[in-house]
Amino acid sequence: EAQVTQNPRYLITVTGKKLTVTCSQNMNHEYMSWYRQDPGLGLRQIYYSMNVEVTDKGDVPEGYKVSRKEKRNFPLILESPSPNQTSLYFCASSLPGQGVDEQYFGPGTRLTVT
Amino acid sequence: AQKITQTQPGMFVQEKEAVTLDCTYDTSDQSYGLFWYKQPSSGEMIFLIYQGSYDEQNATEGRYSLNFQKARKSANLVISASQLGDSAMYFCAISGGYQKVTFGTGTKLQVIP
Repeated sequence: EAQVTQNPRYLITVTGKKLTVTCSQNMNHEYMSWYRQDPGLGLRQIYYSMNVEVTDKGDVPEGYKVSRKEKRNFPLILESPSPNQTSLYFCASSLPGQGVDEQYFGPGTRLTVT
Repeated sequence: AQKITQTQPGMFVQEKEAVTLDCTYDTSDQSYGLFWYKQPSSGEMIFLIYQGSYDEQNATEGRYSLNFQKARKSANLVISASQLGDSAMYFCAISGGYQKVTFGTGTKLQVIP
């Protein structure tokens, strides 16, 4: 089954404790992206990747890191999480060779930083 | 820079009626794509429809159509024959030349029986 998976789905952590949210897709998509969703603000792009070893900042990259060592994986790293990073996070990928076309979204990761 | 504006935080529509959700955009790119996504209360993001900036015909997908008016920079979503299952948040989004994606703040649609 074609899908984007994220782990964990729910996470409660404390300020300053490094964490990684994994994202994996099995559709051979070149484009992958991370978003955060906050009430009243819609989805905001954090980072995106056009292909392996190619990443770029979205609108809200501060406090986040990403890497794209393999085509299928695009982990999101919070080196020192803070309460303002409490949010719902989505990973997405899109069809190969077509830039941003229809994006397939993962189920979301709800992160709480206390 | 690119921007999406959705001015309707919430809307109601009677079942079986048509509804239009507004979306205006701003971009300096000549080539761009416009998208609509649906987010039901269960939380997943569902792709609905896509319109390329050079597409001359308005996009349609089943009961969804995108009313694209390039000169007005609008990309309104029209849902025909509303169903109870259409109750959800709807997001408009744009992708520009550098493949960056910007979403609007969304419109919450409620379909009344």
